[in-house]
Amino acid sequence: GNSVTQMEGPVTLSEEAFLTINCTYTATGYPSLFWYVQYPGEGLQLLLKATKADDKGSNKGFEATYRKETTSFHLEKGSVQVSDSAVYFCALTLFSGGYNKLIFGAGTRLAVHP
Amino acid sequence: EPEVTQTPSHQVTQMGQEVILRCVPISNHLYFYWYRQILGQKVEFLVSFYNNEISEKSEIFDDQFSVERPDGSNFTLKIRSTKLEDSAMYFCASSDLSPGKETQYFGPGTRLLVL
Repeated sequence: GNSVTQMEGPVTLSEEAFLTINCTYTATGYPSLFWYVQYPGEGLQLLLKATKADDKGSNKGFEATYRKETTSFHLEKGSVQVSDSAVYFCALTLFSGGYNKLIFGAGTRLAVHP
Repeated sequence: EPEVTQTPSHQVTQMGQEVILRCVPISNHLYFYWYRQILGQKVEFLVSFYNNEISEKSEIFDDQFSVERPDGSNFTLKIRSTKLEDSAMYFCASSDLSPGKETQYFGPGTRLLVL
């Protein structure tokens, strides 16, 4: 079946540290891949996306590259800030019949300390 | 920027009661979704809706659940007889599946607590 696996958290970093959150997927077909972020007490916000192999999604200093050969979509940021503290969800969709449910990973909590 | 809105933000109900969660999707979107997130767990798909009918539903979405688009703007999720395990955050989302625009935009959620 289709699924997303993320590294378990929490991830605790000091401000300005380098961030990597691993995400791998299993999918039949060619999924689109997403990272969503959930700040404390808020809903899900799209952070970035990539729709085909070798695409790089980027936003707010975060980036992730769609790697078909390793079925991965790891999230990276060169220098994290305290305001990046949140839960990060990796997700995929497969277009089927004109609708596209999102399949989420379990989420990775990031805590950034000053 | 257009956004998805949801009401209420919080709902407390007694087990066995009916609840209706409301969503206003982005106005030119055609596909609508409900997801839920039990506290501390992953976000799970419940149902997708297009052209006034259900496109797909998960095994969670049993006979106690229903969805409706009663007018041109609202999209509702009804739970007929709530159970304790229905306590969760419920998210509405909408999307426009034009090429390159398949992103789903989420509302802020309704936190449902069943006592």
